[in-house]
Amino acid sequence: GQSLEQPSEVTAVEGAIVQINCTYQTSGFYGLSWYQQHDGGAPTFLSYNALDGLEETGRFSSFLSRSDSYGYLLLQELQMKDSASYFCAVRVNSGGYQKVTFGIGTKLQVIP
Amino acid sequence: DAEITQSPRHKITETGRQVTLACHQTWNHNNMFWYRQDLGHGLRLIHYSYGVHDTNKGEVSDGYSVSRSNTEDLPLTLESAASSQTSVYFCASSESSGPLRRGTEAFFGQGTRLTVV
Repeated sequence: GQSLEQPSEVTAVEGAIVQINCTYQTSGFYGLSWYQQHDGGAPTFLSYNALDGLEETGRFSSFLSRSDSYGYLLLQELQMKDSASYFCAVRVNSGGYQKVTFGIGTKLQVIP
Repeated sequence: DAEITQSPRHKITETGRQVTLACHQTWNHNNMFWYRQDLGHGLRLIHYSYGVHDTNKGEVSDGYSVSRSNTEDLPLTLESAASSQTSVYFCASSESSGPLRRGTEAFFGQGTRLTVV
């Protein structure tokens, strides 16, 4: 099976930078994804890392180290609208197909 | 625009009743998934399908079933609803692709809030 660990809650100040870590244990690993979910909304895709290194998309960056089974999501220039839950998810090979397993999510609160 | 829609958005049902939640996507994706979301558990996979007539059990499949008769739809049925199945249910779809390609993300519906009383 797969297991993922991420902090349950993080609080950060508007304008600051915050890093949300994710460690995983899995076999057949393909890649690590990050999703954002606002209260009452659907999860939406933020980023996907299949190779080691940093992927940058605007204010958001995601990092992966396959050897350490570790990744993080970096949010810069935090805005109040970034208050949401952030899920890391591993994409794995399951019987020749791909399956996605999600972590429990990190609730980010951005304060003024 | 392509989309994935779930219906109903809210449902209240009684214990023991059979309930079906609908999921329809126009992305033409082969992969479709059902998750339930509960506080402290994140998104847990119930069932998934990689194509027409293909269905597979996820980590919390007991009491649920799905069928895939076409590419667009994957209805989720609760055979005999129980209070433990009160939850928010999300359907998602993604395209089949290789492991190193971007754009393999899952697209989620808006969710169905189910209450079993």
